[in-house]
Amino acid sequence: EAGVVQSPRYKIIEKKQPVAFWCNPISGHNTLYWYLQNLGQGPELLIRYENEEAVDDSQLPKDRFSAERLKGVDSTLKIQPAELGDSAVYLCASTSGPSGGELFFGEGSRLTVL
Amino acid sequence: AQSVTQPDIHITVSEGASLELRCNYSYGATPYLFWYVQSPGQGLQLLLKYFSGDTLVQGIKGFEAEFKRSQSSFNLRKPSVHWSDAAEYFCAVGAGQAGTALIFGKGTTLSVSS
Repeated sequence: EAGVVQSPRYKIIEKKQPVAFWCNPISGHNTLYWYLQNLGQGPELLIRYENEEAVDDSQLPKDRFSAERLKGVDSTLKIQPAELGDSAVYLCASTSGPSGGELFFGEGSRLTVL
Repeated sequence: AQSVTQPDIHITVSEGASLELRCNYSYGATPYLFWYVQSPGQGLQLLLKYFSGDTLVQGIKGFEAEFKRSQSSFNLRKPSVHWSDAAEYFCAVGAGQAGTALIFGKGTTLSVSS
């Protein structure tokens, strides 16, 4: 079974430029998460989707961040415009009912903003 | 407030020696507890999880953890550390229901000396 797939793995951009990250969850997983991981820190939730509905986006900085999950499968996280402080790893995870709360993570997308 | 505390930022252990990583949590409901490991440039991999029952749980790679409700702790142990265990370790807590997000600690970096 394929795991959670994220792309790109690495992205370097100038500040004020836009950037987008893509995530393909494990097949059949209706819940999808985007987490932010700053250097030396644990992951912090940005947004949670149940199918195509964003059910928890309270930690998403909506002035510059946006996300979507069309058709309840793949998801895209966008930053526009990027700031220096956005340099971090963006992790996508998915889960389903039988997983008992366990999250399955992708390898992450590392963003560097210059 | 719900939180996870990993008191040790960095631990160095000699190869072959035993290991214990500490984790304390604060959670309003019955906690479901997890330990994840993250190697450099990789996503998070589940080591083990505790939902209920026997408070000593076994995981992959020879790891185990003990849940102590009275101490709000879920410490990770391994009797003999291998050089390949060098990584970042994260403790997490959740509600155990499909769709709820996990709250992560800030992590403990494990270095293994020869």
